[in-house]
Amino acid sequence: IAGITQAPTSQILAAGRRMTLRCTQDMRHNAMYWYRQDLGLGLRLIHYSNTAGTTGKGEVPDGYSVSRANTDDFPLTLASAVPSQTSVYFCASSDRARSHHNEQFFGPGTRLTVL
Amino acid sequence: AQSVAQPEDQVNVAEGNPLTVKCTYSVSGNPYLFWYVQYPNRGLQFLLKYITGDNLVKGSYGFEAEFNKSQTSFHLKKPSALVSDSALYFCAVTPRAAAGNKLTFGGGTRVLVKP
Repeated sequence: IAGITQAPTSQILAAGRRMTLRCTQDMRHNAMYWYRQDLGLGLRLIHYSNTAGTTGKGEVPDGYSVSRANTDDFPLTLASAVPSQTSVYFCASSDRARSHHNEQFFGPGTRLTVL
Repeated sequence: AQSVAQPEDQVNVAEGNPLTVKCTYSVSGNPYLFWYVQYPNRGLQFLLKYITGDNLVKGSYGFEAEFNKSQTSFHLKKPSALVSDSALYFCAVTPRAAAGNKLTFGGGTRVLVKP
């Protein structure tokens, strides 16, 4: 089934630990995004990538890093997790090669709790 | 910087009645505007978008939205709500000049349709 997969589904993590959230898409979209969703704040963009090999900072990038070694994968790493990073994380992709205003497709999310 | 306001945290409506979810935005220049819906424990799903042209945009599941430039609004509407429309709805904006990147989301409006 075409779409975006995220792993893990949920995770409880001790503060200070390193964590990588995985995201894979099979739609061959060139652009990918990471958001965090917090109650009342909607979704906020963490990092994005317009094409493999390039990344950019979003609204709330501090404490997070990303890489885009190929078209399909866009992992998000928390180098040293803190409780304020407790959130639901969504990966998304869009076909910017076809149109700059294309809608984004979202994965099912990863629920992360940092204690 | 762009912003989106969804003034209602929750909207309650009886099944069969009209549904309206409000959205106002602030952006430099002309906007691209989007509505997404999120069902429980799922990622966001695209409903509709305004790019240019006709101010009334029709989307999935019988939803439509009207772009009003003078009021900087993009309210989502459905003539006759269904119980299955109960979900969390997000409005999003990006300036046309940003070429579709960096969507800014509103805080979301929970819709509850009662039988």
